[in-house]
Amino acid sequence: DSGVTQTPKHLITATGQRVTLRCSPRSGDLSVYWYQQSLDQGLQFLIQYYNGEERAKGNILERFSAQQFPDLHSELNLSSLELGDSALYFCASSVGAGGAFEQFFGPGTRLTVL
Amino acid sequence: TQLLEQSPQFLSIQEGENLTVYCNSSSVFSSLQWYRQEPGEGPVLLVTVVTGGEVKKLKRLTFQFGDARKDSSLHITAAQPGDTGLYLCAGNRNYGQNFVFGPGTRLSVLP
Repeated sequence: DSGVTQTPKHLITATGQRVTLRCSPRSGDLSVYWYQQSLDQGLQFLIQYYNGEERAKGNILERFSAQQFPDLHSELNLSSLELGDSALYFCASSVGAGGAFEQFFGPGTRLTVL
Repeated sequence: TQLLEQSPQFLSIQEGENLTVYCNSSSVFSSLQWYRQEPGEGPVLLVTVVTGGEVKKLKRLTFQFGDARKDSSLHITAAQPGDTGLYLCAGNRNYGQNFVFGPGTRLSVLP
């Protein structure tokens, strides 16, 4: 158990819908990362927050957005869902913001768009 | 085109055999990490290497960072079924905020 929790574990929805994925980092970690993992694209970095502020952006679509709240939990919002958005979405947390800090990954949310 | 390439893509071996998997790039990395991911779970960090030519050992696993910091290898001695999983390498460039992941090597160790 990494100490990072993600809910829900599974999510099935239809094209065009909007969903919210939730992540609670390990106690004491200030940085949260979101990743998307699909069979054809591998593990892709989406976005990083540090202590409530956006710190780095990766391959995140405009239909996707995220935020980190004062209690440090984070939410990833996916809207106007398409079939190709079906994937595993992972959240990771670390103590600091830079690449020198170990990231601890949550168990993931499996999103299926029908 | 992937920034990081991993080979082989798939590997199936018998328990007790040795194996090496590779992570290659044309880019220089300030550090490189190896993760193992089991089905239904998130990746778990195995090691971070930061110095060109560095070798790190973790029980039966030996990790090497290339002299030019563009490539890395993971060698497993006497593989066990518990080593089964997806092995991912991830590189950090210019001491940046995040890591870029390779596509992974899916290892299956048969009893």
